[in-house]
Amino acid sequence: AQSVSQHNHHVILSEAASLELGCNYSYGGTVNLFWYVQYPGQHLQLLLKYFSGDPLVKGIKGFEAEFIKSKFSFNLRKPSVQWSDTAEYFCAVNSLNTGNQFYFGTGTSLTVIP
Amino acid sequence: DVKVTQSSRYLVKRTGEKVFLECVQDMDHENMFWYRQDPGLGLRLIYFSYDVKMKEKGDIPEGYSVSREKKERFSLILESASTNQTSMYLCASSSTSGTGLNEQFFGPGTRLTVL
Repeated sequence: AQSVSQHNHHVILSEAASLELGCNYSYGGTVNLFWYVQYPGQHLQLLLKYFSGDPLVKGIKGFEAEFIKSKFSFNLRKPSVQWSDTAEYFCAVNSLNTGNQFYFGTGTSLTVIP
Repeated sequence: DVKVTQSSRYLVKRTGEKVFLECVQDMDHENMFWYRQDPGLGLRLIYFSYDVKMKEKGDIPEGYSVSREKKERFSLILESASTNQTSMYLCASSSTSGTGLNEQFFGPGTRLTVL
């Protein structure tokens, strides 16, 4: 079945540590890729997106993600996390092959310890 | 500033009641979506609509219906609420790009409790 996988369900880091959250998808063809973040008590908002071009995309708050087509991956990274990055992170995929739908991973809960 | 609004932040209903959740977007987006969000399960698509009066089932449509009479408004209806429909309900909208859909904009969510 086509899917989006986020293998890290819960990550705990100390401030200033580096972050990498994995996202793999199983859809073929051209894909649009997204990372969303949900801070405690807030609504989902876009961190970054990839449609085409440079596979390394930069988003808000120092986040970046790399699209590796051969690995069907779109991992999220941040060199140095802060306490305020504590949130839930969702990877999402959309393509013409999936119709007018987005497919979301199950999310990764990140806790940053001061 | 783009906005997706949902009619209620918190709702408590009794089993068997008919429940209406309203969502309005002001971005003239063609596409609108209803999800439910449950811990450990992420976002699961209930229904979506790509045009007025058009609707498509998502992954978990059972027990739900939708209505889209105007472009900016997308309603989710629980015909007869049950306790297993206690959840956070999220509405989203997006426009269409050449390669699929542009990013979704989400509302604040409605936390529904069915007693």
